[in-house]
Amino acid sequence: DTGVSQNPRHKITKRGQNVTFRCDPISEHNRLYWYRQTLGQGPEFLTYFQNEAQLEKSRLLSDRFSAERPKGSFSTLEIQRTEQGDSAMYLCANLGTSGLYEQYFGPGTRLTVT
Amino acid sequence: AQSVTQLDSHVSVSEGTPVLLRCNYSSSYSPSLFWYVQHPNKGLQLLLKYTSAATLVKGINGFEAEFKKSETSFHLTKPSAHMSDAAEYFCVVSPPRGSSNTGKLIFGQGTTLQVKP
Repeated sequence: DTGVSQNPRHKITKRGQNVTFRCDPISEHNRLYWYRQTLGQGPEFLTYFQNEAQLEKSRLLSDRFSAERPKGSFSTLEIQRTEQGDSAMYLCANLGTSGLYEQYFGPGTRLTVT
Repeated sequence: AQSVTQLDSHVSVSEGTPVLLRCNYSSSYSPSLFWYVQHPNKGLQLLLKYTSAATLVKGINGFEAEFKKSETSFHLTKPSAHMSDAAEYFCVVSPPRGSSNTGKLIFGQGTTLQVKP
């Protein structure tokens, strides 16, 4: 157990609906990352926060995606007008403290868009 | 740009025999390198990390990896496979602290390890 929790663990939604995922990181770590993992692939970087500031967004993050981290604590990832191509596992991670950029991942939210 | 290539998409071994999962990296800097494991329906777990203090890195569950700069490789090994080792393994690269990068991880495509009884 890494101490990073994500909710919900599974989400099934119909195309066109909006969904929101939540990540609760280890409280004392100021960097939080979001990744997306599609079937049979390695995770791909989506975005990251330093405290409450969103400092980088991948080109994978279309304008239907928005992420927030109010007060530098938990983070949410919202997808508007979901498409079948959004079906994936969405992973949240905290940065480790060794100085090597290792990250500790939550269990993920598996999204299925029907 | 940084990248990793996992040379085998699937590896099958018998229980008790050695495991070798191959990874080559590409980096302009001396990178941070990691191996992660993902068991079915479970989250990503850090197996080991390269620290530059030693080229042979020991991780959890008996796994090791050797950093070879001349070959730009970071292969993962285990002397004796156990049934519980069956999982997906990812080689991962990130630039070291101090560079302008954000610390995002770049994952390889993954290697599925099958362990036969």
